[in-house]
Amino acid sequence: GQQLNQSPQSMFIQEGEDVSMNCTSSSIFNTWLWYKQDPGEGPVLLIALYKAGELTSNGRLTAQFGITRKDSFLNISASIPSDVGIYFCAGQMMDSSYKLIFGSGTRLLVRP
Amino acid sequence: DAGVTQSPTHLIKTRGQQVTLRCSPKSGHDTVSWYQQALGQGPQFIFQYYEEEERQRGNFPDRFSGHQFPNYSSELNVNALLLGDSALYLCASSLELAGTQETQYFGPGTRLLVL
Repeated sequence: GQQLNQSPQSMFIQEGEDVSMNCTSSSIFNTWLWYKQDPGEGPVLLIALYKAGELTSNGRLTAQFGITRKDSFLNISASIPSDVGIYFCAGQMMDSSYKLIFGSGTRLLVRP
Repeated sequence: DAGVTQSPTHLIKTRGQQVTLRCSPKSGHDTVSWYQQALGQGPQFIFQYYEEEERQRGNFPDRFSGHQFPNYSSELNVNALLLGDSALYLCASSLELAGTQETQYFGPGTRLLVL
């Protein structure tokens, strides 16, 4: 099925470092969402973006809706061990589609 | 505030059998979507139910069917199970507000293993 291009696939960083991941698509989206998923659990919503250019923060997390509507990034500042997990971007297209299209995920590992 | 709940948490079936998964939406939500997540991949949209009707469907065969009840809860049915149906099945709920679908919130999922 159709998916977003999410990168990097995985990251192994030192505690305290900043992290950046992004998603791109050839299609235009009207909503971008970022979720975190822990093993054996469902995705948990981190940040929702609804307008092109929008920059939103949630604690140490910051995400932006790309101006072209075809991309989004998520930054995590000063990473801590509990940031470990898989981060997914998801988007809704501008054709009044109700479904979310997901990226393939970024696996984050944090070294204490 | 009750979140999205799903049952059962785990299920083992054999090829050819049928399975029913259940979902209760987050309190105040009226729309339910189902997703299939294979190991190591992002969730794939199966279908969405609103006002007790399927209003959008992803690229899944007719073996996958569903239902939404008047209390907004939903069931996902899969017939003639195949080994490839083994996956985590996620339910997500949202609220339809003024013709716009609000953000989808996910349940913990049901892990289905087909032997």
